[in-house]
Amino acid sequence: EVVLTQSPATLSLSPGERATLSCRASQSVSIFLAWYQQKPGQAPRLVIYDASNRAAGIPARFSGRGSETDFTLTISSLEPEDFGVYYCQQRTNWPPGITFGQGTRLEIK
Amino acid sequence: EVQVVESGGGLVQPGRSLRLSCATSGFTFDDYAMHWVRQRPGKGLEWVAGLSWNSVSVGYADSVRGRFTISRDNANNSLYLEMSSLRADDMALYYCVKGLSGYVAYYLDVWGKGTTVAVSS
Repeated sequence: EVVLTQSPATLSLSPGERATLSCRASQSVSIFLAWYQQKPGQAPRLVIYDASNRAAGIPARFSGRGSETDFTLTISSLEPEDFGVYYCQQRTNWPPGITFGQGTRLEIK
Repeated sequence: EVQVVESGGGLVQPGRSLRLSCATSGFTFDDYAMHWVRQRPGKGLEWVAGLSWNSVSVGYADSVRGRFTISRDNANNSLYLEMSSLRADDMALYYCVKGLSGYVAYYLDVWGKGTTVAVSS
């Protein structure tokens, strides 16, 4: 089973700053990794899939990179609406399944 | 507009069963895999189960395998989760989620608001 470990647990930044979130897989997942954003009281929203593809409607300030075991989500200049919890997710073909990282809380400094 | 709406949550005693339903609209239901994801209070996301577009491929989290059954009715654009032998650690907000493709092992792109399951005697 692939375990995803996200770091840091909490990231405190100010609007306008650059945010870099990390997700490390316990074994290679190729590029099959996604990122989700969850704001308090809301359902998660897909942000990035296949490591670097932005989902529909996601602003260009969000970017993802990485492959194999190390991935990053970067928000180039934080907007107030970007704060929340971010989860990474990988997929397994057999047995078919999905696992999430434990999340990184991005909070306003 | 793409919509997924969960129902069926509630309070249930340990060891009992509960059936969750998910009504969908705004997309071609039988083109996409569908999933259930849960979130315990104050905790992270846990994928529970997923079902391919044609119900041929199914996946379960280890924590629910053998107790939960996911199914779908493509004629009625609906997804279900039959939960049995419920335990205290099944208590969570359960999301119905549309997959980004027809395959179980992929990504999740449209989430409902969730339905709450409480397990207590």
